[in-house]
Amino acid sequence: DAGITQSPRHKVTETGTPVTLRCHQTENHRYMYWYRQDPGHGLRLIHYSYGVKDTDKGEVSDGYSVSRSKTEDFLLTLESATSSQTSVYFCAISSSGRTERYFGPGTRLTVT
Amino acid sequence: TQLLEQSPQFLSIQEGENLTVYCNSSSVFSSLQWYRQEPGEGPVLLVTVVTGGEVKKLKRLTFQFGDARKDSSLHITAAQPGDTGLYLCAGAGTSYDKVIFGPGTSLSVIP
Repeated sequence: DAGITQSPRHKVTETGTPVTLRCHQTENHRYMYWYRQDPGHGLRLIHYSYGVKDTDKGEVSDGYSVSRSKTEDFLLTLESATSSQTSVYFCAISSSGRTERYFGPGTRLTVT
Repeated sequence: TQLLEQSPQFLSIQEGENLTVYCNSSSVFSSLQWYRQEPGEGPVLLVTVVTGGEVKKLKRLTFQFGDARKDSSLHITAAQPGDTGLYLCAGAGTSYDKVIFGPGTSLSVIP
């Protein structure tokens, strides 16, 4: 299994509060991704990173920001959480030039 | 916009039966992956197919990439309860960092 951890694994928060999810990898892969998974929608890309301090938007980036200050860590921040951001969030990694994704165990976020 | 469709959405079968699930698109993909996801866990890569018409086997699972590289199928022979899970296909376009996922087929194998 790829060495990917996510924290926290579960979180309940109130509307309007900031939330940060962390992804940590031990594989030294260049690419890191944040996805959200919702029933009927599958996995949708929020943001991705192609190197330290190099990030780009995915298809559902509104309301989210990311940061990558080290190769091994990729943070996803919800500046002001909304109920529509209740979801399961997955981090994934891939090596350069490869399409395969290796996923973390996920974070279940509930915004009340 | 590239889209991937998967069918059926849900499938419940008895242990020992055979089944096929499908992944379809109107777009051409440079490669396609299949993943299996169990409840409470992240998706796990099963296989990547690259060449049109390619067939790959993984024990009782057979994966085929369509000749035109727009569709793929996953056939499971003699399904077992351990095959239960969500099967996702994912297609890569012209850029290796642009991968889209289908909504998945939820398979339940009843003992």
